[in-house]
Amino acid sequence: EDQVTQSPEALRLQEGESSSLNCSYTVSGLRGLFWYRQDPGKGPEFLFTLYSAGEEKEKERLKATLTKKESFLHITAPKPEDSATYLCAVQMEYGNKLVFGAGTILRVKS
Amino acid sequence: NAGVMQNPRHLVRRRGQEARLRCSPMKGHSHVYWYRQLPEEGLKFMVYLQKENIIDESGMPKERFSAEFPKEGPSILRIQQVVRGDSAAYFCASSLRAPSGGSHFTDTQYFGPGTRLTVL
Repeated sequence: EDQVTQSPEALRLQEGESSSLNCSYTVSGLRGLFWYRQDPGKGPEFLFTLYSAGEEKEKERLKATLTKKESFLHITAPKPEDSATYLCAVQMEYGNKLVFGAGTILRVKS
Repeated sequence: NAGVMQNPRHLVRRRGQEARLRCSPMKGHSHVYWYRQLPEEGLKFMVYLQKENIIDESGMPKERFSAEFPKEGPSILRIQQVVRGDSAAYFCASSLRAPSGGSHFTDTQYFGPGTRLTVL
């Protein structure tokens, strides 16, 4: 069965303390891996799509990387406004739906 | 450049009533997806529609749930005879193009703000 596992479940950081979120997946064939950010009471906001192992994408303090079995979301010098739930999702080669992980709740304290 | 719109944002129903959730995709998008987020659980796929067609309903409960995306107007997710277990946030997403089988191209799904359904 296709699975997406995110770790840690929750992460507390001090402002400026860099860290990484992990998303591991077991799927029969990956078309794309997505990262979204979700604030309380809102819908997921698109961040990145990664297609192949070795690919990297950056946006402000965020950098996403992909290997054959997992993806990392690196947060460099986070700020309190980076506090949110970060969701990872995969789309299979012959599918159209996204399969989501449970998310990582990030809290950044000033 | 409006994003995906959903209404109502909050919906309260008593057990046994019907709930209708509406989704207007982003301008130019003709592919709509519905997801459900139960309390303390992740987002789960329900159904994928194109105009006037249901493409994949593998995540839809077999009974009481239906979805449509007519030629004109928003996509509708309908839940008949709601029960307390239907209380959840329902999200709609839209994409510009459809994923192509076997290709390495995928199209981003953009999400709406969600409808929070509470069943009393």
